[in-house]
Amino acid sequence: AQSVTQLGSHVSVSEGALVLLRCNYSSSVPPYLFWYVQYPNQGLQLLLKYTTGATLVKGINGFEAEFKKSETSFHLTKPSAHMSDAAEYFCAVSAVGNQFYFGTGTSLTVIP
Amino acid sequence: ETGVTQTPRHLVMGMTNKKSLKCEQHLGHNAMYWYKQSAKKPLELMFVYNFKEQTENNSVPSRFSPECPNSSHLFLHLHTLQPEDSALYLCASSQPRAGGSTDTQYFGPGTRLTVL
Repeated sequence: AQSVTQLGSHVSVSEGALVLLRCNYSSSVPPYLFWYVQYPNQGLQLLLKYTTGATLVKGINGFEAEFKKSETSFHLTKPSAHMSDAAEYFCAVSAVGNQFYFGTGTSLTVIP
Repeated sequence: ETGVTQTPRHLVMGMTNKKSLKCEQHLGHNAMYWYKQSAKKPLELMFVYNFKEQTENNSVPSRFSPECPNSSHLFLHLHTLQPEDSALYLCASSQPRAGGSTDTQYFGPGTRLTVL
C-alpha cells in the first residue's frame, strides 16, 4: 500500500532563510514521488518529481528534493525563501491503478 | 489552449438546483480525475477514469454523478447538494503507464462551489 506523511502542517520561515518541508512515504513498488505547490484559489502546480535516476531532483522556483530510499523520505528544500514562496505544498506518491496518494499538505508562511 | 481547463471557476447553487462542472484537457492524456478540496481537510479523490472507463469511485454520494464522454472531457453533475459539499473541486489528468505507476498529474484551476 502507498501513503504519504508530511510532518508539520504549518511552517514559518524568515525571508532569506532555508526552507525545509518534510515528506515520508511508504510504497510497495518503486515509487514515483512528486511535490506540488498550490496558491490560494488555484489548482496544484508541479514543482518537481522523482521517477528514476539521480536522487537529487531540481524543480522550478529554486526548489529541490532528494530521494532517500533508506529513509523513505523526499524532503523539499530551498536555500533562500522569498515572499512569493508562501503557499500550500503537497507531497505525493503515485501508485498502480493510476492513482496518486497525497499528503495532507504543509502551509508555508514567509516572514518579512 | 493548453493544459487543463475547468468551467465555471465559481458556482453558487441552492440545495435543489442541478448544475454541472466541466473539465477539458489538451494534453493528450487518457486518465482523468475529480478531487474535492475542503478547508482544513486533505485532498479527497472522488473519481478516476482511464480510457473513458470509470476505475475508481471513492464512496462518493450519488448526488455527484461523473461523466466522461471522451478522453479529453470530464463532467461532474451535481444535484440536491448539501452545504457541506461546498469546496474547491479540482480536475486532473495524467498519462497511464502500462503495469505500473502513473506519471505526473496535471491540475486545472478548480471550481469554487458554494451550496446555500
